[in-house]
Amino acid sequence: DSGVTQTPKHLITATGQRVTLRCSPRSGDLSVYWYQQSLDQGLQFLIQYYNGEERAKGNILERFSAQQFPDLHSELNLSSLELGDSALYFCASSGRLAGTQYFGPGTRLLVL
Amino acid sequence: GDSVTQMEGPVTLSEEAFLTINCTYTATGYPSLFWYVQYPGEGLQLLLKATKADDKGSNKGFEATYRKETTSFHLEKGSVQVSDSAVYFCALTIPGIQGAQKLVFGQGTRLTINP
Repeated sequence: DSGVTQTPKHLITATGQRVTLRCSPRSGDLSVYWYQQSLDQGLQFLIQYYNGEERAKGNILERFSAQQFPDLHSELNLSSLELGDSALYFCASSGRLAGTQYFGPGTRLLVL
Repeated sequence: GDSVTQMEGPVTLSEEAFLTINCTYTATGYPSLFWYVQYPGEGLQLLLKATKADDKGSNKGFEATYRKETTSFHLEKGSVQVSDSAVYFCALTIPGIQGAQKLVFGQGTRLTINP
C-alpha cells in the first residue's frame, strides 16, 4: 500500500458525459501527478500540481482539467467523454518537488 | 525529447531462471532512473531507483545499474519466482524549472514465470 488513495475504483459512463476522479496523496506529500494508461498510448503524463499550483503539463486534452485543493487532495475532471478516453487513470504523489513518485491503485474508466 | 525503450515482451521463463529486461534511455539532462512493477489488477509499485551514474538500485532480489556510457538501466534477478509475474516499466525523470517533473515510461514488459 503506497498511501495514495483514488476513488472511484471503477467508473462506467457514456460518451458526452463528464466525470470527476479523486486522489488523496500520501500524508505530507505536496506534489500530485496524474497519468493515463491506455493500450495504444501506454503510460502518459497528464499534469502535476504542487501545493495547489500547476507545475507541469503533459499531453492533457483541453477537455480535461485538474485542480489541487487546500487539503492537498486533487481532482481530475474529464468532460465531453469519447470512447478513446477509456483508460486507467493513475494519481501519484511525492514528498519533495522532484521526489520519487508513489502511485495510487488507479481508476478504471470505461466510456460506452 | 526524452524517451525510454524497453525490450519487447512478453517474456516467459521457468521458476529459478535468470532474468534480464533491457532498458535504454535518451535524455537531454541528467535523469533519475526507475523500475516500476504492475501486478495484475493493481497500480504501479516502485521497485528500485538510481539517481546518478554507476548507482545500483536493488530491492526484492532485483538489481539495476545506472550506466551513463551506454545510457542503460537493465533489470536483473538471479532466480525468479512465480510471484514475480507482472508488467515491468522502466522510467526516467528530469527535474525541470521550479520543481516541474514528469515520469517518462517505457512501453512495459510483461513477464510470466511458469512453475
